Order: sequence, then structure tokens, then C-alpha cells
Amino acid sequence: GDSVTQMEGPVTLSEEAFLTINCTYTATGYPSLFWYVQYPGEGLQLLLKATKADDKGSNKGFEATYRKETTSFHLEKGSVQVSDSAVYFCALDRSQGGSEKLVFGKGTKLTVNP
Amino acid sequence: KAGVTQTPRYLIKTRGQQVTLSCSPISGHRSVSWYQQTPGQGLQFLFEYFSETQRNKGNFPGRFSGRQFSNSRSEMNVSTLELGDSALYLCASSLATGGNKAFFGQGTRLTVV
Repeated sequence: GDSVTQMEGPVTLSEEAFLTINCTYTATGYPSLFWYVQYPGEGLQLLLKATKADDKGSNKGFEATYRKETTSFHLEKGSVQVSDSAVYFCALDRSQGGSEKLVFGKGTKLTVNP
Repeated sequence: KAGVTQTPRYLIKTRGQQVTLSCSPISGHRSVSWYQQTPGQGLQFLFEYFSETQRNKGNFPGRFSGRQFSNSRSEMNVSTLELGDSALYLCASSLATGGNKAFFGQGTRLTVV
């Protein structure tokens, strides 16, 4: 079945460090891919998305490129801030017949220290 | 535009009881999905409703059920609660067609004791 695999956390970085969170997926076809972020005590917020191969999603300095050759959608940010501390989820869209269904990775907790 | 509203935010229930959680989607959104989030299993899809009909269902026992009303508001019910049902339950709303961006509520934190 469809699945998403994220790098194990937690990840701890210093402010202004470079961030990469790896995400690979297994799915039939070419699903849309997403990164969601969850701040402490909150629900999920969509960070960025890509709907087809070679698309690059970007938002708030974060980027991810849909790579169908490697079935990957790695999240990157050039210079992290303390406010980026959160849990990040990679997800794919497995909607069928118009219904909505997201398949999530386990999440990667990021802590950024000043 | 108001976001997705889930009530209550926190609940404590005893094993064997039943519980009902509520979700009000963003105005104009007709699809409502429910997810269970636990430290061990992560985020798992429960079910999705559209126009008062369940369109998709995850791999959960029949104790988990839901419904959607004509105003798109949705409720999920868990009967005969077990300790393992303790989780954050998230609701997401989106436009009618599949593949649209899902907007999540803050969730209901259910603790079963």
C-alpha cells in the first residue's frame, strides 16, 4: 500500500543552520505531495505542496522538490530560526473518486536552539 | 474566514464510556476528514465525509463512527472506549474535489483513564 517514510528525529540545530528532512514515498501513480507543520499544542498547517514531478513547493524559506526518479520530497531550509521548532510531516494525497485522504509519515521533531 | 473549529479541545473519559467529538469546517468546504494522532502510530486516517455520506474509511474498528450534517458539520463517535483510544483527534476540511488542500483544526485531545 501507499506509505511515506521520513527521517527519524529528533533533529536539533543551532539558529541559522541548514535544514534537511528526508522524505520518500511509495505509491502508485504520481500523487500530490505535501509538507505539514505542527507547532506545540496545535493542529497541522500546510507548509508547502507539489502536484507533479519536478514541481518545487516553497513557503517561508522552506523548499521541497518532487523527484519521481527517487520518489522523494525532501524538505530544506537554508537558515533555520528558533520559531521553526515544530514537528514536520511529509504526506501524500491518496484521494480516490474525489474523496480526500492523506497518508502521513511519522513526523520529524525539529528543535532550533538560539 | 473562520478556520476549522473542533470542540471540545480536551476530554477525559473512562474506559467503556463513549464520546462524541465535533468539527465545524471552513465555510463552503463540503469535505470533512478525521485523523487520529498517537505517538506510536503517528497520523492515521479514520474516515471522510462529503454531503452527509461517508466516502472513504480507514482501517479502524466499528467502534469508531461518524456522521455529517447538512451544514457540513461533522461528528465522530467512539463507543466502548479503550485506553489505546487516547489520542489527538484532528479534523480537516477541504473543497469538494479530491486532491485539494486540507485545512486542519487544532484537534481534540482525548484521554481515556
